[in-house]
Amino acid sequence: QITLKESGPTLVKPTQTLTLTCTFSGFSLSTSGVGVGWIRQPPGKALEWLTLVYWTDDERYSPSLKSRLTLTKDTSKNQVVLTMTDMDPVDTATYYCAHSLGTGNFDYWGQGTLVTVSS
Amino acid sequence: DIQMTQSPFFLSASVGDRVTITCRASQNIDDYLNWYQQKPGKAPKLLIYGASSLQSGVPSRFSGSGSGTKFTLTISSLQPEDFATYWCQQSYTIPFTFGGGTKVEI
Repeated sequence: QITLKESGPTLVKPTQTLTLTCTFSGFSLSTSGVGVGWIRQPPGKALEWLTLVYWTDDERYSPSLKSRLTLTKDTSKNQVVLTMTDMDPVDTATYYCAHSLGTGNFDYWGQGTLVTVSS
Repeated sequence: DIQMTQSPFFLSASVGDRVTITCRASQNIDDYLNWYQQKPGKAPKLLIYGASSLQSGVPSRFSGSGSGTKFTLTISSLQPEDFATYWCQQSYTIPFTFGGGTKVEI
């Protein structure tokens, strides 16, 4: 049974760095074909793909956010950590991590965590 | 970036109705098109991948078709639990992009 869960702060101040952890079970990020991605959704708005890390350690980022994003994969802990720098109120959103079989679709999702950016 | 355009934005339907949602890509994406269902306060759920493959556990009343730039999601007989927002997503190239969503309401 595959599960994922996001954890991290619910409130960050503008210009601060956000660190979110995705802890998963039921699969290994060292298994061929497996990936873990991050997707966010501002309140009442559309989904936005942010990043995806593959079992090969290959990392892909949204070009518009690439300069602000960093992924860290810890296979032994079954975790993927997303860091986003220079947070702004427009980054207020629910952040999801999700499992992918390397084909770019996301078949298992975490429950999401709402991050509010406000002073 | 590939732009994904869904229509309609809002759809009012009744239980038992046949419902069709359209998604258009701004350029060819072959069949790298996925459909998700999202209910309020919940994470999206994968329904269809590869334009027409039904995800395991998804009822057969859901079907997808299309290739290239035009795709459709069809619900053959709308059930009460199908009232939700539906999203298309292209996985042809980075950055993966989603459509603007279609909200299906009673």
